[in-house]
Amino acid sequence: AQSVTQLGSHVSVSEGALVLLRCNYSSSVPPYLFWYVQYPNQGLQLLLKYTSAATLVKGINGFEAEFKKSETSFHLTKPSAHMSDAAEYFCAKAEGSTLGRLYFGRGTQLTVWP
Amino acid sequence: ETGVTQSPTHLIKTRGQQVTLRCSSQSGHNTVSWYQQALGQGPQFIFQYYREEENGRGNFPPRFSGLQFPNYSSELNVNALELDDSALYLCASSTGQMNTEAFFGQGTRLTVV
Repeated sequence: AQSVTQLGSHVSVSEGALVLLRCNYSSSVPPYLFWYVQYPNQGLQLLLKYTSAATLVKGINGFEAEFKKSETSFHLTKPSAHMSDAAEYFCAKAEGSTLGRLYFGRGTQLTVWP
Repeated sequence: ETGVTQSPTHLIKTRGQQVTLRCSSQSGHNTVSWYQQALGQGPQFIFQYYREEENGRGNFPPRFSGLQFPNYSSELNVNALELDDSALYLCASSTGQMNTEAFFGQGTRLTVV
């Protein structure tokens, strides 16, 4: 079964603290993995993607994620949170030969406290 | 800002009615996917169109249907609306090629009353 699991529907951090958003996936073939961010009343913006090249992927706004096959994980991190990082974050997996068909996790709402 | 535009941005319909949502894909993209995002949930794949043909469908009933036009823009039609159809509907366009990303529009917020 296709699935993406995001552990923790809400994460709260202080400004300047480490951000860690967790994502685990299941797949019978090597996956393509993505992190998207969604601000209120907006669509989805791609933060970063893993497409079987380097396992440590750097994205926009200082975010990065590491693909760990042994743990079937693709956790998103940022060393120092900023107030503007407050948003909903979605981990997603691509299926098959096209990357337009995505399977999303339920999302993690990130709150950043001053 | 992506080149994917959706219309309308908001819509209120009555249960049992029909609705058509529209999406203009980004220039150079021939693949459009539609997603339903219920409140507090992740987007769920409805279907995908590639060069005017349906190229995969998620777990949605037949009253959800779509079209893709020669210019690769797309429509999502929903018949016999139900209250549970209230959601944000997202359109994403891509080239359908490996190692390319899907670009999302801002979405259409549908409320069924």
